[in-house]
Amino acid sequence: AQTVTQSQPEMSVQEAETVTLSCTYDTSESDYYLFWYKQPPSRQMILVIRQEAYKQQNATENRFSVNFQKAAKSFSLKISDSQLGDAAMYFCAYRSDNAGGTSYGKLTFGQGTILTVHP
Amino acid sequence: NAGVTQTPKFQVLKTGQSMTLQCAQDMNHNSMYWYRQDPGMGLRLIYYSASEGTTDKGEVPNGYNVSRLNKREFSLRLESAAPSQTSVYFCASSTQGFTEAFFGQGTRLTVV
Repeated sequence: AQTVTQSQPEMSVQEAETVTLSCTYDTSESDYYLFWYKQPPSRQMILVIRQEAYKQQNATENRFSVNFQKAAKSFSLKISDSQLGDAAMYFCAYRSDNAGGTSYGKLTFGQGTILTVHP
Repeated sequence: NAGVTQTPKFQVLKTGQSMTLQCAQDMNHNSMYWYRQDPGMGLRLIYYSASEGTTDKGEVPNGYNVSRLNKREFSLRLESAAPSQTSVYFCASSTQGFTEAFFGQGTRLTVV
């Protein structure tokens, strides 16, 4: 079974600065997807960024980028120019992409990291 | 475009009571899921439905039952609620290629 570990229960950053959230995972599979989800106080789960394991290039979405290290099984999220609206719980998640399709999109989540942004 | 809609948003139950959490999606997705979120544990999969007419257990299915009523609706039932089922429950659905999951707003359930 796959596991996802977020070792930072809480992180803080000053507005306009950069912060990196860590995520490691364990899997024996070669094909999979990795995700970062944001959960603000409203509880809504919002997809921040997605990385396909077969792609060597790190995904970027505006101020959000990842550092995907497949051999090390590491998937960190970098938030640049942090804004007050970035304050939230962030979840790292894994999804198998097995050829048989039997994963059916099931996600395995990490424990979450609470990000505080100071003005 | 409503996406994934869950009802209710909040619920308080007494131990032993039963209830059904409702979920509906309007995105024509085949696959739907129920997760629970507990502090320090992230979200854990309770049950999922790969397609209409099929359901399977996830990581933490004990104490729950599900029904895939049709392609749009996937309900979660607690037959005899226990305090250990106090949690936030999320319904989700997936795109055809499972490249993204869309979540409902969550239900905060407290069992006293």
